[in-house]
Amino acid sequence: KQEVTQIPAALSVPEGENLVLNCSFTDSAIYNLQWFRQDPGKGLTSLLLIQSSQREQTSGRLNASLDKSSGRSTLYIAASQPGDSATYLCAVYSSNTGKLIFGQGTTLQVKP
Amino acid sequence: NAGVTQTPKFRVLKTGQSMTLLCAQDMNHEYMYWYRQDPGMGLRLIHYSVGEGTTAKGEVPDGYNVSRLKKQNFLLGLESAAPSQTSVYFCASSYLTEAFFGQGTRLTVV
Repeated sequence: KQEVTQIPAALSVPEGENLVLNCSFTDSAIYNLQWFRQDPGKGLTSLLLIQSSQREQTSGRLNASLDKSSGRSTLYIAASQPGDSATYLCAVYSSNTGKLIFGQGTTLQVKP
Repeated sequence: NAGVTQTPKFRVLKTGQSMTLLCAQDMNHEYMYWYRQDPGMGLRLIHYSVGEGTTAKGEVPDGYNVSRLKKQNFLLGLESAAPSQTSVYFCASSYLTEAFFGQGTRLTVV
């Protein structure tokens, strides 16, 4: 059974700091891993998608890495801004079952 | 291009009532998913489908039923609503690539 864990559950940093969010998964048989952002009371916005054959993906100040063999992904946010405050969710796409399984999320607060 | 559309967006039910949530996608995706989101618990998979006419249980299937009679539609049914089913429900579709989500349905059972 695939289990996805995100640590920490919550994070508060001052503006301008670089930070790393962690996502781990128990079954390495995945097609891809996706990072999402969710603002309070809103839906999910896709940030980055990493295919199982890739090691990392970048979009602006965001960089996501994937180490499938160790069951880990990180989301790196450079020069954080108050507008980055949100909940960040990772999800893995199981190649055995077709399930898309989410972690519990990390709630980020960036203080001005 | 509508993407993934959920109907309705809000609903209040009395305990014991039934209802159906509709998810429609126009991207010709094979896979569709229903999730519920409760505070501090991320998204939990209720049921999913890997193709027209197929359905499978997710992590929290009890109290829900689903149907996928047409490829573009995935229905989630609550036969006898309970207060524990108060939640925000999200639908998604994909096929081996990026998953796309609907805007959610906020359901309150009183």
